[in-house]
Amino acid sequence: GDSVTQMEGPVTLSEEAFLTINCTYTATGYPSLFWYVQYPGEGLQLLLKATKADDKGSNKGFEATYRKETTSFHLEKGSVQVSDSAVYFCAPGTLSGGYNKLIFGAGTRLAVHP
Amino acid sequence: NAGVTQTPKFRVLKTGQSMTLLCAQDMNHEYMYWYRQDPGMGLRLIHYSVGEGTTAKGEVPDGYNVSRLKKQNFLLGLESAAPSQTSVYFCASSEIYEQYFGPGTRLTVT
Repeated sequence: GDSVTQMEGPVTLSEEAFLTINCTYTATGYPSLFWYVQYPGEGLQLLLKATKADDKGSNKGFEATYRKETTSFHLEKGSVQVSDSAVYFCAPGTLSGGYNKLIFGAGTRLAVHP
Repeated sequence: NAGVTQTPKFRVLKTGQSMTLLCAQDMNHEYMYWYRQDPGMGLRLIHYSVGEGTTAKGEVPDGYNVSRLKKQNFLLGLESAAPSQTSVYFCASSEIYEQYFGPGTRLTVT
């Protein structure tokens, strides 16, 4: 079945460091790809998305590129801030029964300290 | 525009008790979902609905029931709670692609 693998956390960085969180997936068909972020005590928020190969999603300084050949969607940010501390979820989505079925990874906790 | 709201935020139940979690959305979305989130795991889909009056089973439906009598509301019921149902429950809604999540309900079953 469809699945997603994220790098294990926690990832601990100093402010202004470069961030990469790896994500690879297996999916039937041609999924859309999403990164969601969960801040402490809150629900998930969509961070960015890409719907076709070579698309780059970006938001709040975060970027991820849809790599069909390697089935990957790695999340990057050039300079992290303390406020980026959160759990990040990679989620491929495939249309199933008329809706976008999301498969969530286990999440990667990011802790940024000053 | 409140987005997706969930009631209650916290609840403690004894084994065997029943309860209903309420999810409401004001975005006129057709699709609604209930997920559970457990430590070290991603979200797992319990049930979903593709429109008013419809429901369908997700990945982990056992022990739960749902109803969607109105388009804006999606109810999740536990008829006889078990400790294995201790979790954080999230509701979401969507049109086709992007799902919008509520703040969650933390449920503890003792």
